[in-house]
Amino acid sequence: AQSVTQLDSHVSVSEGTPVLLRCNYSSSYSPSLFWYVQHPNKGLQLLLKYTSAATLVKGINGFEAEFKKSETSFHLTKPSAHMSDAAEYFCVVSDGSGGYNKLIFGAGTRLAVHP
Amino acid sequence: NAGVTQTPKFQVLKTGQSMTLQCAQDMNHNSMYWYRQDPGMGLRLIYYSASEGTTDKGEVPNGYNVSRLNKREFSLRLESAAPSQTSVYFCASSGTQNQPQHFGDGTRLSIL
Repeated sequence: AQSVTQLDSHVSVSEGTPVLLRCNYSSSYSPSLFWYVQHPNKGLQLLLKYTSAATLVKGINGFEAEFKKSETSFHLTKPSAHMSDAAEYFCVVSDGSGGYNKLIFGAGTRLAVHP
Repeated sequence: NAGVTQTPKFQVLKTGQSMTLQCAQDMNHNSMYWYRQDPGMGLRLIYYSASEGTTDKGEVPNGYNVSRLNKREFSLRLESAAPSQTSVYFCASSGTQNQPQHFGDGTRLSIL
């Protein structure tokens, strides 16, 4: 069975410092992996996706993630945090084996950015 | 470019009342989904529709029914609302297998 573990429920950084949000996954298949962001009272927005092409994936708003199969990790990073990055972030693995795009969500990491 | 539109945005119900949440997408996607989001639990799949004319149960289907009215619309019905169904409900759609899902802004539902 596929699963996703986000290692930190809350992360707090200062504006201008790097961001690291950690995610480990378990998958029986070659996984598709995603990071989504959710701002308050809004839906989820796709940040980036990994689908077995390049292991370093670049997304929107300066975020990127690296797929490491040996470590079963897909950590999200950004070199310099901005106040507008404060939101909740979800690591997601896709199980396409059932003929549809079933998503398995992590519990989420809430990112706080301080001035 | 509306994407996925959910109505209503907010609703308060009394225990035992019924209600239908509406969802429509304008991206010509085949698959549509209903999730609920509860604190600390991420999103959990209630029902999905892989294509027009089909629906299947997800992880937490009890107490809910769905209708895939046409390719654009996928509704979620609570026949007899219970306080445990207080949650934020999200509709999503996707094109082909392994393509990202696109989400609506959610319906915040409180059941007293």
